[in-house]
Amino acid sequence: QSVVTQSPSASGTPGQSVTISCSGRSSNIGSHTVSWYQQLPGTAPKLLIYSDNQRPSGVPDRFSGSKSGTSASLAISGLQSEDEADYYCAAWEDSLIGPAFGGGTKLTVL
Amino acid sequence: EVQLVESGGGLVQPGGSLRLSCAASGFTFSAYWMHWVRQIPGKGLVWVARINTDGSIISYADSVKGRFTISRDNAKNTLYLQMNSLRAEDTAVYYCAREILTSQGYWGQGTLVTVSS
Repeated sequence: QSVVTQSPSASGTPGQSVTISCSGRSSNIGSHTVSWYQQLPGTAPKLLIYSDNQRPSGVPDRFSGSKSGTSASLAISGLQSEDEADYYCAAWEDSLIGPAFGGGTKLTVL
Repeated sequence: EVQLVESGGGLVQPGGSLRLSCAASGFTFSAYWMHWVRQIPGKGLVWVARINTDGSIISYADSVKGRFTISRDNAKNTLYLQMNSLRAEDTAVYYCAREILTSQGYWGQGTLVTVSS
C-alpha cells in the first residue's frame, strides 16, 4: 500500500477549475514539503510546484499548490486542453529515506 | 540548457545484469543530488535510489537493495545504475532525475529496461 495516495482520475471542461488531492502521513507530507509533477503522454515528468506552493519560472500561475496537515492539493484554473496529463505529488518519506510519490491522477479535459 | 540523457536500457533475461548511464550537461553536475526513478508503462512513479554530490551518501528502495548500485563520476558528468539479479518486476522505464523535491527538479527522458526470457 502506497504511503502517499491520490485519486486516480479527475476531469473538467476548458475554462473550468479543477483540484487534485494528495493524502499522506506524518512521516511524509505532515513533516516535509510537497512537490507536484506533470507528465504529458509519452514524456518525462516536469516540475510544476515545489515547497508546497512555489512555482518554478515558466510555470503558468494557473497552477497553484497548497498543504494542510497531511494533505496537499494542486489547483488548476482556466483549464486548457494541453493540461491533459498525469499529475504526481511527491514528498520525502522518513521510513524510505527517499522521496515517496503518489500513485498519480489522470486529468482529462472534456 | 539542462540535459539528462539516459542510455543502457534494453532486453535482458531474468537473473541478468545491466548498467544504465545518465549523461548530464548544462549545469554543474557535481553540485546536485541525483536519483533514479522507475515507471512501469501505464503505472506510477517509484523512487529507486539516490546519491549525494560526492557519492558518500546513498540510499535505496527496499525492492532493489542488495541488487542495484547507484554511483556517479563527477569528472565525466555521469550517473550510473548497476542492476544485477534482474527480475521480471524490474521491467520499467528508468529515469534519472536531479533533486526531485527542490526547485531544481529535472528529469531525463528515460530508458526502457525489459526483463524477459
